[in-house]
This record gives sequence, C-alpha cells and structure tokens, in this order.
Amino acid sequence: AQSVAQPEDQVKVAEGNPLTVKCTYSVSGNPYLFWYVQYPNRGLQFLLKYITGDNLVKGSYGFEAEFNKSQTSFHLKKPSALVSDSALYFCAVRDSSGAGSYQLTFGKGTKLSVIP
Amino acid sequence: DAGITQSPRHKVTETGTPVTLRCHQTENHRYMYWYRQDPGHGLRLIHYSYGVKDTDKGEVSDGYSVSRSKTEDFLLTLESATSSQTSVYFCAISGLDTLTDTQYFGPGTRLTVL
Repeated sequence: AQSVAQPEDQVKVAEGNPLTVKCTYSVSGNPYLFWYVQYPNRGLQFLLKYITGDNLVKGSYGFEAEFNKSQTSFHLKKPSALVSDSALYFCAVRDSSGAGSYQLTFGKGTKLSVIP
Repeated sequence: DAGITQSPRHKVTETGTPVTLRCHQTENHRYMYWYRQDPGHGLRLIHYSYGVKDTDKGEVSDGYSVSRSKTEDFLLTLESATSSQTSVYFCAISGLDTLTDTQYFGPGTRLTVL
C-alpha cells in the first residue's frame, strides 16, 4: 500500500531564513509526488509535482522540492521564507504500479509558521 | 480555485437528516473526487468519478453515496448524517491522465452535524 509521512506537525522559521518541510513516502512502483498549500479557510493550492526527470522541481511562489529515491523523500524548500508563506502544507503520493488504485494519498500536513 | 465551485459553503444539520453537497466544474475535466479533511488525518478520499455515471469508492466511503449525471456536476450525499461526518469536504478535479495530472481543489464545504 502507498503511504506518505510528514514527520513534523509544525515548523517554525524566521522570516528571511531558508525553510524545509519534510516528506517521505512508500510505494511499490515509481512515485508521483505532489505538494499543496492550504491557507486558512481555503482549498488546497497546487505548488509543484515530480513525475520523472530532474530530481529538483521548481514550483509556484519560489518553492522547490528535491526528489531523493534512495531516501524515499521529497522535501519542500524555499531559500528565503516570507511571513505570507505561513500556511498548512500537504505532501501527496501516487503509486505508478496501481497498488493504490492510482489515487492520491495525502500526508497529515505540516503547519508552517514564519516569524517576522 | 480552477473553475470549481462547491455548494453550500457552510451547513449545519441534525443527526439522521439527509445532506447533499454539490461540486460544479467549468473545466470539462473527466475525473472528479470528493475528500474529507479532518485534523490529524490530512485529506481522505471518499468517492471519485471517472466519467458520467462512472463512480468508485475511496478510502472512507461508508455512509456516503455519489452521483454524476453530467460532466460538470458531482454530488455527494449523506443518506443519514452522523456526528462523525462533521468535517470539511473538498471536491477536486483532474484531466485525462489520472496518473500524472494534477488535482485541483474547490473551496470546500464545512459541514456540522449536531
């Protein structure tokens, strides 16, 4: 069965510092990986995805993520955090083998707080 | 929110009453999904549709039914609402390639069952 873990419920970082939100996954086949952001009382917004190719994926709002197959990780990063980046972040995975019926499995989310 | 609307946006109902939530898309996407979001659980798939009148169960489908009579509309019905179904419900859509296509989400419906 496919699964995804976000080991930190909350991450706090000072404005201007680099930020990392961690994600690890487990699948039978190849992973298709996604990051979403949710602002209060809003739906999820797509940030970026890894399907194949370059391990470093660039997305919206200056975010990027690095796919690491050996560590089964897909951590979200940004070089310089903004207060407006404060939100709930979700990692999601889909198993290319169909073991998860081709559906997305979401992590439980990580709350990012950027301190002014 | 990618041409997706959900109605109602908020609803309070009583245990045992039927409830229907509507998702409407203007993107002509093939796939539509219903998720629920609960603290500590992330998002969990309830049901999904891969075409008109073609639906299938997700991870947490008990107590829910769905219907899709038109490409643009996907309805989620709670036949007899229970307090455990108090949650925020999100609709999502995606295109032809269910493996690689991105899912785009609606604004959500907050449902409270008293």
